[in-house]
Amino acid sequence: QSALTQPASVSGSPGQSITISCTGTSSDVGAYNYVSWYQLHPGRAPKLMIYLVNKRPSGVSNRFSGSKSGNSASLTISGLQAEDEADYYCCSYAGYTTPWVFGGGTKLTVL
Amino acid sequence: QVQLVESGGGVVQPGRSLRLSCAASGFTFSSYAMHWVRQAPDKGLEWVAVISFDGNNKYYADSVKGRFTISRDTSNNTLYLQMNSLRAEDTAVYYCVRDPGQYSSSYSGYWGQGTLVTVSS
Repeated sequence: QSALTQPASVSGSPGQSITISCTGTSSDVGAYNYVSWYQLHPGRAPKLMIYLVNKRPSGVSNRFSGSKSGNSASLTISGLQAEDEADYYCCSYAGYTTPWVFGGGTKLTVL
Repeated sequence: QVQLVESGGGVVQPGRSLRLSCAASGFTFSSYAMHWVRQAPDKGLEWVAVISFDGNNKYYADSVKGRFTISRDTSNNTLYLQMNSLRAEDTAVYYCVRDPGQYSSSYSGYWGQGTLVTVSS
């Protein structure tokens, strides 16, 4: 199972919106509405930001939203804040024997 | 609250073995599937293994199949990862992750802080 494809980096200024793409195949992203997104800060446990394509866990800002079309998914962050600067990983369910396939990660820089 | 605390990481020579532990608390350990996920230096996340709530179903990434064994001990609420025949490419931070269900689900909101394994001579 190959990793999902994400851009290596994206950037934006405070207050702007950015979108991170995540491209998979018909065996993972395209097969299930089971895409999730994680935020990683150095030295901290990964944080779930979006699950089931567009659901937000309790406590996650509504500035974060997710979507999916075909074999691709996206994470949009609106009203960028300095604290959003982190690495973001998409993840798709790919079946019970290989449940989680991750993207390569995207480094978000808030200018 | 849910707590997952990994331990057992360190520096090990290629070909040797290491066992990671994950102490779980704040929830009924025997009711949930558990995963190991790793992140190599400057690389992305990689799912490693999953064990069902009852320990009867175990699955592994191709990269570790035949070398790593996931297990759980419900008497002391601990998840394990036995790593044998270690290679340089196994160098990574290893995260313990609680699934929201009894078997593999599609996401998880509960991750440990990770433990670093370095395979080097």
